[in-house]
Amino acid sequence: GAVVSQHPSWVICKSGTSVKIECRSLDFQATTMFWYRQFPKQSLMLMATSNEGSKATYEQGVEKDKFLINHASLTLSTLTVTSAHPEDSSFYICSAPLGGRSEQYFGPGTRLTVT
Amino acid sequence: AQSVTQPDIHITVSEGASLELRCNYSYGATPYLFWYVQSPGQGLQLLLKYFSGDTLVQGIKGFEAEFKRSQSSFNLRKPSVHWSDAAEYFCAVLSGYALNFGKGTSLLVTP
Repeated sequence: GAVVSQHPSWVICKSGTSVKIECRSLDFQATTMFWYRQFPKQSLMLMATSNEGSKATYEQGVEKDKFLINHASLTLSTLTVTSAHPEDSSFYICSAPLGGRSEQYFGPGTRLTVT
Repeated sequence: AQSVTQPDIHITVSEGASLELRCNYSYGATPYLFWYVQSPGQGLQLLLKYFSGDTLVQGIKGFEAEFKRSQSSFNLRKPSVHWSDAAEYFCAVLSGYALNFGKGTSLLVTP
């Protein structure tokens, strides 16, 4: 099956710094990728849709200036959390669809802790 | 937008007992429905999906789900639960190109 990787798997950063999370489709091309956030013991909430070669689409309530998304190639999307604060601590998961809309493959997630 | 509801936050079953996790969807047409499992600190693993056709869907790890339009439900079942099935289970519906997830059901398996 298709594989999506994320790097890093976990990261600790100080408040006010920026953190970049990478999402890669390893064996298929993805013109679209999705970024989700999951708070402890809660469900996944879609943050934004990353589009290769164009601007990302953000869900309501998600600050686009704080969560910068760049879809630089057909296999890589990055999420940068700028000026991170403790409330940004969460589990960030990306996914990419394969074969149209029917199949989505999830990365293993990135645990962000902001101190 | 399409959405799903998982009425049970926690469920506890004994090892070897049967399991049913509930999921209700809200969508007029036939939805694309999924069940995922998440172990602590891990990503999501797809158990099964339903797009059309046979309403009883077989998945991995011995799971199955039945789509019932009359009840707007897509419940997940397993005839005999193993201790390794303890995890968080999410029902999801395709909305546009992304997935909308239910709040999840935490499964505890007792000896």
